[in-house]
Amino acid sequence: SQKIEQNSEALNIQEGKTATLTCNYTNYSPAYLQWYRQDPGRGPVFLLLIRENEKEKRKERLKVTFDTTLKQSLFHITASQPADSATYLCALDPSGSARQLTFGSGTQLTVLP
Amino acid sequence: ETGVTQSPTHLIKTRGQQVTLRCSSQSGHNTVSWYQQALGQGPQFIFQYYREEENGRGNFPPRFSGLQFPNYSSELNVNALELDDSALYLCASSPSTSGVQETQYFGPGTRLLVL
Repeated sequence: SQKIEQNSEALNIQEGKTATLTCNYTNYSPAYLQWYRQDPGRGPVFLLLIRENEKEKRKERLKVTFDTTLKQSLFHITASQPADSATYLCALDPSGSARQLTFGSGTQLTVLP
Repeated sequence: ETGVTQSPTHLIKTRGQQVTLRCSSQSGHNTVSWYQQALGQGPQFIFQYYREEENGRGNFPPRFSGLQFPNYSSELNVNALELDDSALYLCASSPSTSGVQETQYFGPGTRLLVL
């Protein structure tokens, strides 16, 4: 069956360190994968999209990698700050038609001052 | 802010009742999708509308229905509410021109509690 798994329910790191979040998927062949940030009581906010032919993408302190052989995406936040504390969701399009997104259950990140 | 608004913010209903949730997309966003997010879970796709026609549906029963209007607003209707329908309901819009969309812009959601 198709599955998206994100590493651990919660991740605590010290301010200034790099946070690394994992998204693994099985039985999908997505054309792209997305990462969203969600704060409590709010809707998800789009961060980055990476396509299957891209190995890495960066945006400011964020970096995403996409390994279609391992069926895994890694999401890095460098020089983390307490304001980065949130739940991070990965999402992919299971049908390839770009008409819907399937989300993982998210990883809750807490950056400690 | 994404420019996507939803109303109401919170709602309490009893089992068996019907509910209508509303979403207002950004001008020019032809595609709207609705998601259900249970506590501690990621959003689950309910359905998508493109130019007022249903354009895809997830694994939800027919008692979940929707409408999209020409003024970029949309509705999610749920009949015969069940306790498990308690969740955060999110709408997301996209400025697609062909019903194919990638990045989605989410509203803040409506928190529904069914007693």
